[in-house]
Amino acid sequence: DAGVTQSPTHLIKTRGQQVTLRCSPKSGHDTVSWYQQALGQGPQFIFQYYEEEERQRGNFPDRFSGHQFPNYSSELNVNALLLGDSALYLCASRDGTSSGNTIYFGEGSWLTVV
Amino acid sequence: GDSVTQMEGPVTLSEEAFLTINCTYTATGYPSLFWYVQYPGEGLQLLLKATKADDKGSNKGFEATYRKETTSFHLEKGSVQVSDSAVYFCALSEGGTSYGKLTFGQGTILTVHP
Repeated sequence: DAGVTQSPTHLIKTRGQQVTLRCSPKSGHDTVSWYQQALGQGPQFIFQYYEEEERQRGNFPDRFSGHQFPNYSSELNVNALLLGDSALYLCASRDGTSSGNTIYFGEGSWLTVV
Repeated sequence: GDSVTQMEGPVTLSEEAFLTINCTYTATGYPSLFWYVQYPGEGLQLLLKATKADDKGSNKGFEATYRKETTSFHLEKGSVQVSDSAVYFCALSEGGTSYGKLTFGQGTILTVHP
């Protein structure tokens, strides 16, 4: 049973460019969240998707947007990249039918903005 | 808003030493509490959790007790191994519609020497 998978693993972008990161949740999971983890820091919640809609959002600007597809996979888009967007982006999934279900994380996508 | 504070690291121990990593939290409601571990080059893994006051979460020799009166969830292990070297994150999640949004501490780096 595959866990949470993310792509790409690493990427380098230039300031001002746009990036799309992808996530496939663990089998049977319908809720996907995205986190940003800067070097040496704990992950920060960006947003959560359920039934193809954004359900919750953290304190991130509108440059950060997302999408969830009917198969529950998700994309994170970041526009007008800044140097400060360089971080590890983590995707997490859970079965949204019960509040007690465990949250599983992928290995992340390392984004470097130069 | 919600917040989690962990003891500052890094923590360096010899094998078989006793480990304590302190964690305190601030929350508006009655959160669930978690410890996640991040091994080098890997994603976050749930180590243990507790969902109500006085609950003790345990896994792989690690334990933490949910102390509502002191708003704490300290991680302990009686005898650490070299393989326990990793970054440890304390986290909380509020209930209801906010479940699935994790608020993390800044992480504590643990290094265990033979």
